[in-house]
Amino acid sequence: DSGVTQTPKHLITATGQRVTLRCSPRSGDLSVYWYQQSLDQGLQFLIQYYNGEERAKGNILERFSAQQFPDLHSELNLSSLELGDSALYFCASSVGSGGGQSGYTFGSGTRLTVV
Amino acid sequence: AQSVSQHNHHVILSEAASLELGCNYSYGGTVNLFWYVQYPGQHLQLLLKYFSGDPLVKGIKGFEAEFIKSKFSFNLRKPSVQWSDTAEYFCAVRAYNTDKLIFGTGTRLQVFP
Repeated sequence: DSGVTQTPKHLITATGQRVTLRCSPRSGDLSVYWYQQSLDQGLQFLIQYYNGEERAKGNILERFSAQQFPDLHSELNLSSLELGDSALYFCASSVGSGGGQSGYTFGSGTRLTVV
Repeated sequence: AQSVSQHNHHVILSEAASLELGCNYSYGGTVNLFWYVQYPGQHLQLLLKYFSGDPLVKGIKGFEAEFIKSKFSFNLRKPSVQWSDTAEYFCAVRAYNTDKLIFGTGTRLQVFP
C-alpha cells in the first residue's frame, strides 16, 4: 500500500456518460497529480493541484476537469466519454509543489473501460 | 518543452543477464531524473532518482543509473537480472523547480528463468 488511495479500481461505462474518479493523497502530501496511461500514449500528465489550487496543466481534454477539496482529496471528472478514453488513470501525490526529494507516490490506479 | 525517449520498448532477457535500458531527455536546463518500475497489476514505484552530486545513482533491488549530462541520458543498469524484475520501467524527468514529471513511454522487461 503506497498510501495514495484511488477509487474505484475498475469502472465500466458507456460512451457519452460521465464518471468521477477519486484520489486521496498520502497523509501530509499537499500536491495531487493525475496521469492517464494508455497503450499507445504511455503515461500522460493531465493536471496538478497543490493545496486546493490548480498548479500545472498538461494534455487534459476540455471534457475532463478536476478539483482538490479542502481535505486534499481530489476528483477527476470525465464527461462525454469516448472509446478512446479507456485507460488507466493514476493519481500521485507529493509533499510540496515541486515533488520534492522523494518524487511522487502513486496510487494503484482506476481502470476505465468505455464501451 | 521537455520530452523523454525510451528507445527500448520491449526487452527480453534470461536470468543472470545484464540489463541496460536507455533514457534520453530533451531540456537544456537543470533537471531531476527518475526511474520508476511498475510490476504487473501494481502502481508505479520509485527505483531511483538523481538530483545532484554523484552522477552514478544506486537504487533499490540492485539497480543503478548514470546521469551523463553531455548526452542528456540517464540509463538504467543492473548487472544480473532476476525473474522478479519482470515489469515495465519508466524514465521520468522534471525541470528543476517545476512541478510536472514527464514520463517516457516505458520499457517492458521480460526475464525468463
